[in-house]
Amino acid sequence: ETGVTQSPTHLIKTRGQQVTLRCSSQSGHNTVSWYQQALGQGPQFIFQYYREEENGRGNFPPRFSGLQFPNYSSELNVNALELDDSALYLCASSLKGGATDTQYFGPGTRLTVL
Amino acid sequence: GNSVTQMEGPVTLSEEAFLTINCTYTATGYPSLFWYVQYPGEGLQLLLKATKADDKGSNKGFEATYRKETTSFHLEKGSVQVSDSAVYFCALKEGDAGNMLTFGGGTRLMVKP
Repeated sequence: ETGVTQSPTHLIKTRGQQVTLRCSSQSGHNTVSWYQQALGQGPQFIFQYYREEENGRGNFPPRFSGLQFPNYSSELNVNALELDDSALYLCASSLKGGATDTQYFGPGTRLTVL
Repeated sequence: GNSVTQMEGPVTLSEEAFLTINCTYTATGYPSLFWYVQYPGEGLQLLLKATKADDKGSNKGFEATYRKETTSFHLEKGSVQVSDSAVYFCALKEGDAGNMLTFGGGTRLMVKP
């Protein structure tokens, strides 16, 4: 069973740039959720994708957007980067409609905005 | 809205000591409750969960009981090891909230030999 993978591991961008982060879900899972974890804090929910559509969104501005592909992998896009976007971005996959919908997390992408 | 409150860390213990990390929650319905652990430089790993009142989740010597009357889900371990040093996050999920997890701020545990 393949776990959740994310790429890249680390990324450095400058203010105003755009970034794309990628996530491959665990084998057999159909739902992907994205979280932002600022240093020293708990993860904050950004949004979730199910069947290639957004299925819930947290308190994040529209410059945070996402995609889910037919193979259930996902992208997180952030436009017009701000210094406060520096964080660990975590992807979690789960199986909606299964016996359990527990979320399993990937290792994260560390984004630094200068 | 939903929220999770954890005791502030760091919690520093000697090896083989008893561990308790407090977690209380606020939710409108009947959430599922989770403990996740984060080792340095890594993502979150599910440690244990409970889906209804009075359920006890357990894994690797850790336990937590879903207490609806006190809205709590305290994490316990009878004898900690140095390898348990990590950050522990309590979280809740309500099914009608888009399946999102709401996390506490995390509690850092440091175990000394």
